Amino acid sequence: DTGVSQNPRHKITKRGQNVTFRCDPISEHNRLYWYRQTLGQGPEFLTYFQNEAQLEKSRLLSDRFSAERPKGSFSTLEIQRTEQGDSAMYLCASSRRQGARTVNEKLFFGSGTQLSVL
Amino acid sequence: AQKITQTQPGMFVQEKEAVTLDCTYDTSDPSYGLFWYKQPSSGEMIFLIYQGSYDQQNATEGRYSLNFQKARKSANLVISASQLGDSAMYFCAMRERSGGGADGLTFGKGTHLIIQP
Repeated sequence: DTGVSQNPRHKITKRGQNVTFRCDPISEHNRLYWYRQTLGQGPEFLTYFQNEAQLEKSRLLSDRFSAERPKGSFSTLEIQRTEQGDSAMYLCASSRRQGARTVNEKLFFGSGTQLSVL
Repeated sequence: AQKITQTQPGMFVQEKEAVTLDCTYDTSDPSYGLFWYKQPSSGEMIFLIYQGSYDQQNATEGRYSLNFQKARKSANLVISASQLGDSAMYFCAMRERSGGGADGLTFGKGTHLIIQP
């Protein structure tokens, strides 16, 4: 049973550089979520996909952020022109949604990518 | 306004004691789900327990139980017979049926639980 996999685990970059993170969800899961978690806070929703369609983006997701899930399997999150305020843990989660929205949909999380912008 | 409030930033508990982690929530949606996740130092968020707003009984999963008081809008996590491996961050989260914006979970700020031998 493979869980949600995220790469890299850690990324250190200089301000102004572009970075890309990858998330491989649980294979049969059709939904994929990106969250950001800063120190001392809970995860904050960024965006999610159902299959390859990006259905919602948070206002936290500035124009410098872009996420893709081209074939409905793995996803990438790219941050362009990184800023020090982008330093955070980026968490990916997946779930299997069948039918209409349900409140009991459980998310399975990866271990995250810790980004440090110097 | 905060949708999920966890008022205990940190807690120290002796091994084998029971511990209660507080969570209050704010919603006008009659249909919602409440979740607790554990985040050890490795970073992964681990699902612990779920309670639906229409569930008649409090949820239980092994050593975890949820003290759900709907009128008070509280959903406290109870861990019985705590173990050293329970030391971690614990997050309460909610999903509303109407959702408004985000279709994901809304998390509280967490409680850092430390179990002492």
